[in-house]
Amino acid sequence: GQQLNQSPQSMFIQEGEDVSMNCTSSSIFNTWLWYKQEPGEGPVLLIALYKAGELTSNGRLTAQFGITRKDSFLNISASIPSDVGIYFCAQGASGTYKYIFGTGTRLKVLA
Amino acid sequence: NAGVTQTPKFQVLKTGQSMTLQCAQDMNHEYMSWYRQDPGMGLRLIHYSVGAGITDQGEVPNGYNVSRSTTEDFPLRLLSAAPSQTSVYFCASRGIAGTSYNEQFFGPGTRLTVL
Repeated sequence: GQQLNQSPQSMFIQEGEDVSMNCTSSSIFNTWLWYKQEPGEGPVLLIALYKAGELTSNGRLTAQFGITRKDSFLNISASIPSDVGIYFCAQGASGTYKYIFGTGTRLKVLA
Repeated sequence: NAGVTQTPKFQVLKTGQSMTLQCAQDMNHEYMSWYRQDPGMGLRLIHYSVGAGITDQGEVPNGYNVSRSTTEDFPLRLLSAAPSQTSVYFCASRGIAGTSYNEQFFGPGTRLTVL
Protein backbone atom coordinates (compact mmCIF):
# COMPACT_ATOMS: atom_id res chain seq x y z
CA GLY A 1 0.00 0.00 0.00
CA GLN A 2 0.93 3.64 -0.35
CA GLN A 3 3.14 5.01 2.43
CA LEU A 4 4.83 8.24 3.33
CA ASN A 5 8.61 8.66 3.28
CA GLN A 6 9.70 9.64 6.75
CA SER A 7 13.26 10.50 7.73
CA PRO A 8 15.43 9.87 9.51
CA GLN A 9 14.53 6.31 10.46
CA SER A 10 16.19 6.69 13.85
CA MET A 11 18.02 9.32 15.88
CA PHE A 12 20.24 9.20 18.94
CA ILE A 13 20.64 12.61 20.54
CA GLN A 14 21.90 14.15 23.74
CA GLU A 15 19.45 15.61 26.23
CA GLY A 16 18.98 19.30 25.54
CA GLU A 17 19.55 19.06 21.79
CA ASP A 18 16.96 20.08 19.21
CA VAL A 19 15.48 17.44 16.90
CA SER A 20 14.09 17.73 13.39
CA MET A 21 12.32 15.08 11.33
CA ASN A 22 10.32 15.27 8.12
CA CYS A 23 7.85 13.48 5.97
CA THR A 24 7.33 13.60 2.20
CA SER A 25 4.65 12.28 -0.09
CA SER A 26 4.13 11.95 -3.82
CA SER A 27 0.48 12.91 -3.36
CA ILE A 28 -1.28 16.03 -2.16
CA PHE A 29 -3.51 15.78 0.90
CA ASN A 30 -5.40 18.24 3.05
CA THR A 31 -4.25 17.18 6.49
CA TRP A 32 -0.94 16.36 8.12
CA LEU A 33 -0.89 14.72 11.53
CA TRP A 34 2.01 13.95 13.83
CA TYR A 35 1.77 11.13 16.40
CA LYS A 36 4.06 9.81 19.13
CA GLN A 37 4.10 6.17 20.19
CA GLU A 38 5.73 5.04 23.41
CA PRO A 39 6.75 1.41 23.97
CA GLY A 40 3.77 -0.89 24.50
CA GLU A 41 1.25 1.87 23.83
CA GLY A 42 -0.87 3.11 20.97
CA PRO A 43 0.01 6.31 19.07
CA VAL A 44 -1.06 9.63 20.58
CA LEU A 45 -1.81 12.69 18.44
CA LEU A 46 0.67 15.56 18.96
CA ILE A 47 -0.20 18.10 16.28
CA ALA A 48 -2.72 18.39 13.44
CA LEU A 49 -2.15 20.70 10.43
CA TYR A 50 -4.92 21.65 8.03
CA LYS A 51 -3.56 24.09 5.42
CA ALA A 52 -0.43 24.70 3.39
CA GLY A 53 2.13 26.85 5.17
CA GLU A 54 0.52 26.38 8.58
CA LEU A 55 2.97 26.41 11.48
CA THR A 56 1.67 25.03 14.79
CA SER A 57 3.28 24.58 18.19
CA ASN A 58 2.47 22.33 21.11
CA GLY A 59 4.87 23.11 23.94
CA ARG A 60 8.37 22.24 22.75
CA LEU A 61 7.02 20.74 19.54
CA THR A 62 6.57 22.69 16.31
CA ALA A 63 5.23 21.30 13.05
CA GLN A 64 4.71 22.83 9.62
CA PHE A 65 2.53 21.92 6.65
CA GLY A 66 4.72 22.38 3.56
CA ILE A 67 3.74 24.93 0.92
CA THR A 68 3.65 22.25 -1.78
CA ARG A 69 1.29 20.19 0.44
CA LYS A 70 3.57 17.22 -0.14
CA ASP A 71 5.73 17.53 2.94
CA SER A 72 5.76 18.35 6.63
CA PHE A 73 8.36 18.61 9.37
CA LEU A 74 8.32 18.23 13.15
CA ASN A 75 10.82 19.94 15.43
CA ILE A 76 11.40 19.19 19.10
CA SER A 77 13.37 21.78 21.02
CA ALA A 78 15.52 21.10 24.10
CA SER A 79 14.88 17.35 24.13
CA ILE A 80 14.33 15.52 27.41
CA PRO A 81 14.43 11.78 28.23
CA SER A 82 10.62 11.42 28.05
CA ASP A 83 10.72 12.43 24.37
CA VAL A 84 11.87 8.88 23.63
CA GLY A 85 9.51 7.02 21.32
CA ILE A 86 8.52 6.58 17.71
CA TYR A 87 7.16 9.62 15.87
CA PHE A 88 4.78 9.03 12.99
CA CYS A 89 3.48 11.40 10.38
CA ALA A 90 0.12 10.71 8.75
CA GLN A 91 -1.85 12.21 5.89
CA GLY A 92 -5.58 12.37 5.39
CA ALA A 93 -7.75 13.56 2.54
CA SER A 94 -10.89 15.59 3.11
CA GLY A 95 -14.04 13.64 2.45
CA THR A 96 -12.44 10.32 3.33
CA TYR A 97 -11.79 8.58 6.58
CA LYS A 98 -8.53 6.98 5.55
CA TYR A 99 -5.16 8.04 6.87
CA ILE A 100 -1.80 6.95 5.50
CA PHE A 101 1.01 6.63 8.02
CA GLY A 102 4.74 7.09 7.61
CA THR A 103 7.18 4.40 8.68
CA GLY A 104 8.20 6.33 11.80
CA THR A 105 11.27 8.00 13.28
CA ARG A 106 12.62 6.25 16.35
CA LEU A 107 14.05 8.79 18.80
CA LYS A 108 16.39 7.97 21.66
CA VAL A 109 17.60 10.64 24.07
CA LEU A 110 20.82 10.11 25.98
CA ALA A 111 20.93 11.77 29.39
CA ASN B 1 -13.90 7.43 30.38
CA ALA B 2 -11.86 4.34 29.62
CA GLY B 3 -11.24 5.59 26.07
CA VAL B 4 -10.46 2.80 23.60
CA THR B 5 -9.99 -0.64 25.10
CA GLN B 6 -8.70 -3.76 23.40
CA THR B 7 -8.64 -7.38 24.45
CA PRO B 8 -6.67 -9.56 24.61
CA LYS B 9 -3.33 -7.79 25.07
CA PHE B 10 -1.37 -10.82 23.85
CA GLN B 11 -2.42 -13.87 21.83
CA VAL B 12 -0.66 -16.85 20.28
CA LEU B 13 -2.47 -18.84 17.60
CA LYS B 14 -1.68 -21.83 15.45
CA THR B 15 -1.98 -21.58 11.69
CA GLY B 16 -5.58 -22.11 10.64
CA GLN B 17 -7.17 -21.13 13.93
CA SER B 18 -9.74 -18.37 14.05
CA MET B 19 -10.22 -15.71 16.69
CA THR B 20 -11.78 -12.33 17.38
CA LEU B 21 -9.94 -9.27 18.61
CA GLN B 22 -12.22 -7.08 20.68
CA CYS B 23 -12.35 -3.28 20.60
CA ALA B 24 -14.65 -0.96 22.51
CA GLN B 25 -14.87 2.79 23.01
CA ASP B 26 -16.98 4.81 25.42
CA MET B 27 -16.65 8.23 23.75
CA ASN B 28 -19.69 7.83 21.47
CA HIS B 29 -17.42 8.10 18.43
CA GLU B 30 -18.93 7.32 15.07
CA TYR B 31 -15.70 6.36 13.34
CA MET B 32 -13.71 3.27 14.32
CA SER B 33 -10.86 1.53 12.56
CA TRP B 34 -8.36 -1.31 12.78
CA TYR B 35 -4.68 -1.01 11.90
CA ARG B 36 -1.83 -3.45 11.91
CA GLN B 37 1.72 -2.38 12.75
CA ASP B 38 4.71 -4.29 11.43
CA PRO B 39 8.39 -3.39 11.86
CA GLY B 40 9.44 -0.76 9.32
CA MET B 41 5.93 -0.58 7.84
CA GLY B 42 4.20 1.99 9.99
CA LEU B 43 0.46 1.56 10.52
CA ARG B 44 -1.70 0.07 7.78
CA LEU B 45 -5.47 0.33 7.73
CA ILE B 46 -7.32 -3.00 7.69
CA HIS B 47 -11.01 -2.06 7.97
CA TYR B 48 -12.98 0.92 9.17
CA SER B 49 -16.53 1.88 10.08
CA VAL B 50 -18.33 5.22 10.04
CA GLY B 51 -21.25 4.05 12.13
CA ALA B 52 -23.28 1.07 13.27
CA GLY B 53 -24.04 -1.22 10.34
CA ILE B 54 -21.49 0.45 8.04
CA THR B 55 -18.03 -0.97 7.33
CA ASP B 56 -15.50 -0.64 4.54
CA GLN B 57 -12.11 -2.01 3.56
CA GLY B 58 -8.78 -0.33 4.13
CA GLU B 59 -5.39 -1.06 2.56
CA VAL B 60 -4.92 -4.64 3.79
CA PRO B 61 -8.34 -6.27 4.38
CA ASN B 62 -7.64 -9.81 3.16
CA GLY B 63 -8.00 -12.46 5.85
CA TYR B 64 -9.98 -10.21 8.19
CA ASN B 65 -13.68 -9.57 8.77
CA VAL B 66 -15.39 -6.85 10.78
CA SER B 67 -18.89 -5.96 11.86
CA ARG B 68 -20.37 -2.95 13.68
CA SER B 69 -23.61 -3.82 15.43
CA THR B 70 -23.28 -1.06 18.06
CA THR B 71 -21.57 2.33 18.22
CA GLU B 72 -19.32 1.12 21.03
CA ASP B 73 -17.91 -2.15 19.65
CA PHE B 74 -15.89 -3.00 16.55
CA PRO B 75 -14.50 -6.56 16.65
CA LEU B 76 -11.91 -7.82 14.17
CA ARG B 77 -12.13 -11.47 13.13
CA LEU B 78 -9.28 -13.55 11.79
CA LEU B 79 -10.92 -16.27 9.74
CA SER B 80 -7.98 -18.68 9.37
CA ALA B 81 -4.82 -17.34 10.95
CA ALA B 82 -1.59 -17.33 8.93
CA PRO B 83 1.99 -16.52 10.05
CA SER B 84 1.82 -13.38 7.86
CA GLN B 85 -0.79 -12.05 10.28
CA THR B 86 1.71 -11.94 13.13
CA SER B 87 1.62 -8.27 14.05
CA VAL B 88 0.50 -5.69 16.57
CA TYR B 89 -3.13 -4.68 16.02
CA PHE B 90 -4.47 -1.27 17.02
CA CYS B 91 -8.04 -0.15 17.19
CA ALA B 92 -8.81 3.58 16.94
CA SER B 93 -11.83 5.83 17.12
CA ARG B 94 -12.76 9.47 16.54
CA GLY B 95 -15.79 11.66 16.14
CA ILE B 96 -17.03 12.62 12.68
CA ALA B 97 -17.36 16.34 13.36
CA GLY B 98 -16.34 18.82 16.02
CA THR B 99 -13.22 20.59 17.20
CA SER B 100 -11.31 17.33 17.54
CA TYR B 101 -12.35 16.09 14.12
CA ASN B 102 -8.99 14.61 13.28
CA GLU B 103 -8.01 13.48 16.75
CA GLN B 104 -7.96 9.73 16.49
CA PHE B 105 -7.65 7.88 19.80
CA PHE B 106 -5.81 4.58 19.74
CA GLY B 107 -6.18 1.57 22.01
CA PRO B 108 -3.15 -0.07 23.68
CA GLY B 109 -2.84 -2.77 21.03
CA THR B 110 -3.07 -6.56 20.75
CA ARG B 111 0.16 -8.43 20.08
CA LEU B 112 -0.64 -11.46 17.96
CA THR B 113 1.73 -14.29 17.08
CA VAL B 114 0.71 -16.98 14.59
CA LEU B 115 2.85 -20.11 14.67
